[in-house]
Amino acid sequence: NAGVMQNPRHLVRRRGQEARLRCSPMKGHSHVYWYRQLPEEGLKFMVYLQKENIIDESGMPKERFSAEFPKEGPSILRIQQVVRGDSAAYFCASGGVMNTEAFFGQGTRLTVV
Amino acid sequence: GQQLNQSPQSMFIQEGEDVSMNCTSSSIFNTWLWYKQEPGEGPVLLIALYKAGELTSNGRLTAQFGITRKDSFLNISASIPSDVGIYFCAGYSGGGADGLTFGKGTHLIIQP
Repeated sequence: NAGVMQNPRHLVRRRGQEARLRCSPMKGHSHVYWYRQLPEEGLKFMVYLQKENIIDESGMPKERFSAEFPKEGPSILRIQQVVRGDSAAYFCASGGVMNTEAFFGQGTRLTVV
Repeated sequence: GQQLNQSPQSMFIQEGEDVSMNCTSSSIFNTWLWYKQEPGEGPVLLIALYKAGELTSNGRLTAQFGITRKDSFLNISASIPSDVGIYFCAGYSGGGADGLTFGKGTHLIIQP
């Protein structure tokens, strides 16, 4: 999983600010998944993207959250007007074709103060 | 979304014991994956299973893709202290468009 790069590793935001989390997939991978993990809990699916397409966003909150995976550059998970409840670890995973292995980055730990 | 039931939620074992954990689903899965997560890190892929009935080993780890395609198990033989962590099962359902669905994890704690 060393090939999936997430930054920043740690992010602190005040309530009401915006948080931008970046994920660069492994070389050759065209699928990106975002997951959220609360302390002592499992990974909750948020969104699944291919280049320039959102395939499944059924796990994304309807408001304030958005994700993109442009043709060039990393995938971005954007959280607007953050609230304390958004504090969590956000993990990105990348895969080649569908239904195959997915490899995770080391996550971004968001703390909202 | 899909639901994966992973059990047990936690295990307290002695070093050297064997470990077994499993995941079940109400629907068919095409792929089963097993991950291990250590504190402060992302999940690391341990084993991938692609065919019903498949039995795959990775060192002291063995995982099987259930015949019904609705379950999978992971065994760890002769546990050692570095096996401590949270083990997650994950899978792709037959629907195709969903992302990986995860179980809630099994916390493995090894007592010396």
